[in-house]
Amino acid sequence: KQEVTQIPAALSVPEGENLVLNCSFTDSAIYNLQWFRQDPGKGLTSLLLIQSSQREQTSGRLNASLDKSSGRSTLYIAASQPGDSATYLCAVHFSGGYNKLIFGAGTRLAVHP
Amino acid sequence: KAGVTQTPRYLIKTRGQQVTLSCSPISGHRSVSWYQQTPGQGLQFLFEYFSETQRNKGNFPGRFSGRQFSNSRSEMNVSTLELGDSALYLCASSYLSGRTDTQYFGPGTRLTVL
Repeated sequence: KQEVTQIPAALSVPEGENLVLNCSFTDSAIYNLQWFRQDPGKGLTSLLLIQSSQREQTSGRLNASLDKSSGRSTLYIAASQPGDSATYLCAVHFSGGYNKLIFGAGTRLAVHP
Repeated sequence: KAGVTQTPRYLIKTRGQQVTLSCSPISGHRSVSWYQQTPGQGLQFLFEYFSETQRNKGNFPGRFSGRQFSNSRSEMNVSTLELGDSALYLCASSYLSGRTDTQYFGPGTRLTVL
């Protein structure tokens, strides 16, 4: 069964810390992996897309890595800010399905001043 | 470029009724997918449409259906509503198959079933 797991479920850090969010998936046959951010009651904002052939992607203070063989991805957030507080979701597009993303349960991040 | 739009944003219905939700993708995008988000089950895939054809379907009962129009706009219908259908319904659009494309999500429709 294709599953995506995110650890930790929740994280509370002081402003300025560098932090790592983890995502693992059960099948290495993937097209891509996408990280999203969701604010309470809102839709999803795409942060980074990593193709199966790529090892990492960077956007500003965000860096996402992908190790397909071990079924893992990490999202690194540098110098965290209160505005980074949100739920971060990892979604995998497994091979063989059209546009079907399998989501992890998310990591709820709180950055306090 | 306008993002994905969904209407209405909020809906309140009673058990047994039916509901139709609408999604307009980003201009030029031909694929539209639908997801249900609940606190207990998280985000779950409902179905995907491309050029008016359903290409993929999740594990939901037949009460959940959808369609896509020639302009790529999509509608989702839920018949005989149940309390458990209360959820945030999200649609996403992408240019083609999503194998290399980013999927962009709309703000969602919050459905409450009483």
